[in-house]
Amino acid sequence: QKEVEQDPGPLSVPEGAIVSLNCTYSNSAFQYFMWYRQYSRKGPELLMYTYSSGNKEDGRFTAQVDKSSKYISLFIRDSQPSDSATYLCAMSAVGGGADGLTFGKGTHLIIQP
Amino acid sequence: DAGVTQSPTHLIKTRGQQVTLRCSPKSGHDTVSWYQQALGQGPQFIFQYYEEEERQRGNFPDRFSGHQFPNYSSELNVNALLLGDSALYLCASSLADSSNQPQHFGDGTRLSIL
Repeated sequence: QKEVEQDPGPLSVPEGAIVSLNCTYSNSAFQYFMWYRQYSRKGPELLMYTYSSGNKEDGRFTAQVDKSSKYISLFIRDSQPSDSATYLCAMSAVGGGADGLTFGKGTHLIIQP
Repeated sequence: DAGVTQSPTHLIKTRGQQVTLRCSPKSGHDTVSWYQQALGQGPQFIFQYYEEEERQRGNFPDRFSGHQFPNYSSELNVNALLLGDSALYLCASSLADSSNQPQHFGDGTRLSIL
C-alpha cells in the first residue's frame, strides 16, 4: 500500500460545476497537508497549505482535512476551463521546508467549456 | 521577486553518462529540496540541503548526490545514468524554521536518457 493514494482520473466535469478531489494516506505522523496544481510542462504551483484537521478557504478553493479518517479533500467552486490541470496532494510530518514532501500520483482534471 | 529557477530546461544524455542540474532558490529562502517526477507519477523526494549539508534523504541510491553553495543555490548530480532516470527533476525552496512557509517549486529540468 502506498503512503498516499490519489485517483489519477481523468476527471471530466462541465464548466461551472463543483469539483471534489481527494487523497487518503496511511502515515499518522503527517500533520501538514498541501494541494498543488501542475500544468503540462510546468512545475507544481501551491494552491492550499493546511495544518492538522479542519477547513481552509481561499477564493474558489476549499481544503478539508480529516485526520481521524486520514482523508483530505480539495473543492473547486465555479470551475473554469483554466482549472484544467493535474492536482497533486502532498503531506509532511514537519511543517515548512524542514521535511521532504510525500505526494499522491495526481488527478488529471478536465473542465469542459 | 524571482521564484525558483532551474537550468537547463531540457537535457538529453546516454546511459552511463553523468549529469549536473542547477537550482536557484526563491529570494529569501535558504533550504533546497530535489524531487524526481516520472511520467504520470507524483514527485518523489530525493534529498534536501540546508546550510550546505544534506539534511534529509529519500529512497534514492548513492548515484544521486548534491551540493549547496553559500548563496543557497544547489546542484543535483547523477552518475552512471540509467534509462529509468528519465524524468522531470524538480527543485523546491523554502525557509528553514518556518512552519507556516511551504515549499515552492521551479518548472524543472526534463532529463531524457537514450
